[in-house]
Amino acid sequence: DTAVSQTPKYLVTQMGNDKSIKCEQNLGHDTMYWYKQDSKKFLKIMFSYNNKELIINETVPNRFSPKSPDKAHLNLHINSLELGDSAVYFCASSSLYNEQFFGPGTRLTVL
Amino acid sequence: GDSVTQMEGPVTLSEEAFLTINCTYTATGYPSLFWYVQYPGEGLQLLLKATKADDKGSNKGFEATYRKETTSFHLEKGSVQVSDSAVYFCALSDQGAQKLVFGQGTRLTINP
Repeated sequence: DTAVSQTPKYLVTQMGNDKSIKCEQNLGHDTMYWYKQDSKKFLKIMFSYNNKELIINETVPNRFSPKSPDKAHLNLHINSLELGDSAVYFCASSSLYNEQFFGPGTRLTVL
Repeated sequence: GDSVTQMEGPVTLSEEAFLTINCTYTATGYPSLFWYVQYPGEGLQLLLKATKADDKGSNKGFEATYRKETTSFHLEKGSVQVSDSAVYFCALSDQGAQKLVFGQGTRLTINP
């Protein structure tokens, strides 16, 4: 009965590869988010989708492409991975204008 | 733009000590304010929130009051436990923007 789930939990890959992280929520929320947490624990929003439409895109390189096939899923695809992409990526969901619920995070390591 | 500033960590206390973690914010509108907690190896959990001035959020013995005049939302607990060891994040959400803006996080360690 996990509320917001992400897969995989850990992802180790080489520079230049393409990878995806999946997120699913079973809370019936209509808004989903991706946040990036860097090595100093700083958290910053990357994207937000409401009813499958992109509403926030925070100056993220276009190598990052979110995809929302339906309201319960928001996947993050990353092309041509770079060392600086190493971080923990958190998915979250909410009803519009209400509190956000976070997934457990995906730790991405680019070698 | 909107921003949140938290007291620098790490913070180390003994069990049963009084805890304060300072948080101040800058926002153009009337944001909602939050404290999230991240236990080791886990995601973020909402600890408490306040949506308007003078509201007090409370949960698990933690409290924070939304002070518009000082643009602050300091987190307090009267008697901390070892299990409170975690990273604490202050955040705001401007409803129009719908995103959370986080402070830099404060790592708290409680020693027995």
